[in-house]
Amino acid sequence: ILNVEQSPQSLHVQEGDSTNFTCSFPSSNFYALHWYRWETAKSPEALFVMTLNGDEKKKGRISATLNTKEGYSYLYIKGSQPEDSATYLCAFIGLSNQFYFGTGTSLTVIP
Amino acid sequence: EPEVTQTPSHQVTQMGQEVILRCVPISNHLYFYWYRQILGQKVEFLVSFYNNEISEKSEIFDDQFSVERPDGSNFTLKIRSTKLEDSAMYFCASRGLLQPQHFGDGTRLSIL
Repeated sequence: ILNVEQSPQSLHVQEGDSTNFTCSFPSSNFYALHWYRWETAKSPEALFVMTLNGDEKKKGRISATLNTKEGYSYLYIKGSQPEDSATYLCAFIGLSNQFYFGTGTSLTVIP
Repeated sequence: EPEVTQTPSHQVTQMGQEVILRCVPISNHLYFYWYRQILGQKVEFLVSFYNNEISEKSEIFDDQFSVERPDGSNFTLKIRSTKLEDSAMYFCASRGLLQPQHFGDGTRLSIL
């Protein structure tokens, strides 16, 4: 099982603040990196599928970048809102189709 | 858009009983997963399934648990001799080759 690490483990921010967190993964055998948003007791929502080094994706106030050479991806949330509170999971997909979720970052946005 | 469906949405079972949680993955998907989330805790990976066999399982997935794809459409998780600590939301997911996972809405399992 691969180590896909996310940091920080949890994060509390004030409404309106911008925030970001990191996903670190092995740079070898990389095929794709996915980001998911998982609210408690709901099914996860796929946010981004990223495959190329230097990829930047954006969806509303959320964006992500990818560096496959050094093995990290950042997720940014601009102007956090209480409804952004969730666990954000990255997932590493390898060339042999391995699929590993990261350890997750739990975000709480305080009104 | 095709969806992963899970039944039942809520299952209440006496401790010690067996329970079967059912999932219908998206029809052309190849990989299947079960996860659980105990209330207030992180999501935990249980098992992945491909080509009619388990491809990976976590330490949680001991002899109490089993998975099956009995008829080529359903993907079931069986929990034998349930314990109080098995109470959780159980999520099924499926995906195609090199694609994101699609999740069901979950089954809330309550052990009394």
